[in-house]
Amino acid sequence: QVQLVESGGGVVQPGRSLRLSCAASGFTFSSYGMHWVRQAPGKGLEWVAVISYDGSNKYYADSVKGRFTISRDNSKNTLYLQMNSLRAEDTAVYYCAKELADCSGGSCYSIGLDYWGQGTLVTVSS
Amino acid sequence: AIRMTQSPSSFSASTGDRVTITCRASQGISSYLAWYQQKPGKAPKLLIYAASTLQSGVPSRFSGSGSGTDFTLTISCLQSEDFATYYCQQYYSYPPYTFGQGTKLEIK
Repeated sequence: QVQLVESGGGVVQPGRSLRLSCAASGFTFSSYGMHWVRQAPGKGLEWVAVISYDGSNKYYADSVKGRFTISRDNSKNTLYLQMNSLRAEDTAVYYCAKELADCSGGSCYSIGLDYWGQGTLVTVSS
Repeated sequence: AIRMTQSPSSFSASTGDRVTITCRASQGISSYLAWYQQKPGKAPKLLIYAASTLQSGVPSRFSGSGSGTDFTLTISCLQSEDFATYYCQQYYSYPPYTFGQGTKLEIK
């Protein structure tokens, strides 16, 4: 069965860095786009970043662009989120999620996130 | 960026009720819309994609409709396990893949 397990969260001071990992199993990781979504305490979901199946395309929310970097290692079935220059407003549970894609037209388009990890909490505080 | 607005933000209902949640996009998104259910302390769960296609394993009491800018999620007969927060998300234009602000469904 599909499993996504995040790790790397913790308490970090403002301005410092943290790298999150998401270990994937139960599906062909190298065939799917992967996303990061976060949720601040008591708040709604915020999409953070996406990476294509082969790592060639990456997109970010404006709130993290230039500070966060999404990457993947298909040989290790692992997704990453490098977070630099962290701010208090980055405090959230971070989820990785597998993309559900529609490839019926020749090109593939994301149409949902069908599997999610359990999340890892990042707290940015001095 | 496309804005997604859900209504209501919260409401109360009883087991057995039929409920409808609305999601409106700030511009047309065709049918590139998904619905998720989230329970406290848990990851979101995909319910519906492409506006009206039920994800595998999701009970048939859930249904989705709409295209363009206006979408609805309907639960035909509320069960106790359906009390949760529901989110819509658009996939038409990115980045970002915008979520709605959420609708919290509580027991009356």
